[in-house]
Amino acid sequence: SSELTQDPAVSVALGQTVRITCQGDSLRYFSANWYQQKPGQAPLLVIFRKHNRPSGIPERFSGSTSGITASLTITGAQAEDEADYYCNSRDTSGNHLVFGGGTKLTVV
Amino acid sequence: QVQLQESGPGLVKPSATLSLTCTVSGFSISSGYHWGWIRKPPGKGLEYIANIFHSGTSYYNPSLQTRVTISVDTSKNQFSLEVRSVTAADTAVYYCARLTYDTVDYWGQGTLVTVSS
Repeated sequence: SSELTQDPAVSVALGQTVRITCQGDSLRYFSANWYQQKPGQAPLLVIFRKHNRPSGIPERFSGSTSGITASLTITGAQAEDEADYYCNSRDTSGNHLVFGGGTKLTVV
Repeated sequence: QVQLQESGPGLVKPSATLSLTCTVSGFSISSGYHWGWIRKPPGKGLEYIANIFHSGTSYYNPSLQTRVTISVDTSKNQFSLEVRSVTAADTAVYYCARLTYDTVDYWGQGTLVTVSS
């Protein structure tokens, strides 16, 4: 079982806003990162250290954290955003990495 | 541009040892950062396995640490993973990666390892 909990699936209408959440006690102390993974591809970092966007990631991707819940928000979802999204951080001991179970985003 | 490439057998027999190597180009492992392995079993999510610093200091997923060893060879700019006593549950796409603290900023393309007789 994962120490970070994500909803298994979320859907969003094309052009609308969607929020994907990640919950875990360790998020009170450690930052969350977010990855996008499409079938047959390696994961791609889209948000790091709560709210920072790597070079080349569209501005429609944003991140935030409140308490023990981290959120990835896509403002104006596009068809190409359909993918699995994973959060990661450290476990409550701080010694090990941990990933959430992943959220499958469907753009309808 | 940092690039990582996994190599190793695609098929391993049950109870045998799975061995993978990651070759890094565009960046010297000796320059810093942590280097690690992450896997994705079919139909499941990502699972952290282990990571190592260029000095050799290593960290392991507690659920796997009795069966796993990670090592680094700075002279070849490579790092490696061994998983002992494998079962079908170890079947997965294995990714090597560069870590900045807890952020995975560069990933290899991944290699599928199937455990089957």
